[in-house]
Amino acid sequence: DTAVSQTPKYLVTQMGNDKSIKCEQNLGHDTMYWYKQDSKKFLKIMFSYNNKELIINETVPNRFSPKSPDKAHLNLHINSLELGDSAVYFCASSQEGAIYNEQFFGPGTRLTVL
Amino acid sequence: DQQVKQNSPSLSVQEGRISILNCDYTNSMFDYFLWYKKYPAEGPTFLISISSIKDKNEDGRFTVFLNKSAKHLSLHIVPSQPGDSAVYFCAASTQGGSEKLVFGKGTKLTVNP
Repeated sequence: DTAVSQTPKYLVTQMGNDKSIKCEQNLGHDTMYWYKQDSKKFLKIMFSYNNKELIINETVPNRFSPKSPDKAHLNLHINSLELGDSAVYFCASSQEGAIYNEQFFGPGTRLTVL
Repeated sequence: DQQVKQNSPSLSVQEGRISILNCDYTNSMFDYFLWYKKYPAEGPTFLISISSIKDKNEDGRFTVFLNKSAKHLSLHIVPSQPGDSAVYFCAASTQGGSEKLVFGKGTKLTVNP
């Protein structure tokens, strides 16, 4: 059973296109996150949602729009893709109130913008 | 502003020996520290954590040490096994619950048979 799943795993697209990445977790967690790992390998938070409400938005261009239809899903839509958006995007989830804030990650989506 | 630093991009050890991965942080507000392990083409998986009120946490072959005054933590793996070969990320959080994790850049550990 996959705990946190993402689709697609690979995404190759042209500059200027709009694309979406889907994320689902079956852990019953309250909070979901999107992280970006860039070419320098830094893993940085982009957004987090708690029970469908946005709680963290880390200075991300407004071309990126997360959408949480329910607490088990957090999708990421990106408009007008740019070369610099090429990265690996990881979805994660955690249980509110978890002492150490252990977050469980999906396998990642490698986005390549040509 | 790199708040969590892993200054060694790579580490190579022999099977059976100890692996020591280091992590430094600058934000004194961090209360929780976590280590994640990542294999290629997979997401990071949680390994072990420690809160700022402790100086050591042990789980099987993995031990994390925290020196709060030095703002330094380390992960010890003993004995190291070839299956431990992965990238290890140090992460920190200012509180539990739904707070974001701030990650270091990772250290690639290679355990040679």
